[in-house]
Amino acid sequence: DTGVSQDPRHKITKRGQNVTFRCDPISEHNRLYWYRQTLGQGPEFLTYFQNEAQLEKSRLLSDRFSAERPKGSFSTLEIQRTEQGDSAMYLCASSPREGGSEQYFGPGTRLTVT
Amino acid sequence: AQTVTQSQPEMSVQEAETVTLSCTYDTSESDYYLFWYKQPPSRQMILVIRQEAYKQQNATENRFSVNFQKAAKSFSLKISDSQLGDAAMYFCAYRRPFQGAQKLVFGQGTRLTINP
Repeated sequence: DTGVSQDPRHKITKRGQNVTFRCDPISEHNRLYWYRQTLGQGPEFLTYFQNEAQLEKSRLLSDRFSAERPKGSFSTLEIQRTEQGDSAMYLCASSPREGGSEQYFGPGTRLTVT
Repeated sequence: AQTVTQSQPEMSVQEAETVTLSCTYDTSESDYYLFWYKQPPSRQMILVIRQEAYKQQNATENRFSVNFQKAAKSFSLKISDSQLGDAAMYFCAYRRPFQGAQKLVFGQGTRLTINP
């Protein structure tokens, strides 16, 4: 049983650089979510895809952030011109079509901006 | 906007004893889902238990049970016979039931320590 995978697991970058993270959901799941979790806090919702359509975006997702899911399978989250405040764990989750179903989380990508 | 509050940043319990983690939430909706997620150190988050608001009966999953008080907007998690593997961050989360409303709203978390 393959769960949600994320790559890379850790990323250290200098302020001002661009970074891209990848998420591979569970294969039969059509819904995919991105969350951000800072140290000592609960995850905060960033965006949600159903198949390839991005249906919801948080106001936390500034213009420097963009997410795609071009073929309705894997997703990428790009952060342009990174800032120190972007340092966080970026979590991806997926869920099947049924309403009320749980979201299955990946291990996360820890971003450190120096 | 919905909010979820966990007022206990840290809790500890002796192995084999029972511990209760608190969660309150604020919503104007009458139907919704509530969840408890567990996040072990350096490991991914997993679902512990789920409660649908329209169900009167409290959910149970083996050693885990909830006390859902809809009028009080309270959703506590009881862990019986605590085990060392229960040590983790526990997050309470809320979700609206509608087809297009998929995001989870999380509380701040409670760090649970199990003392051997």
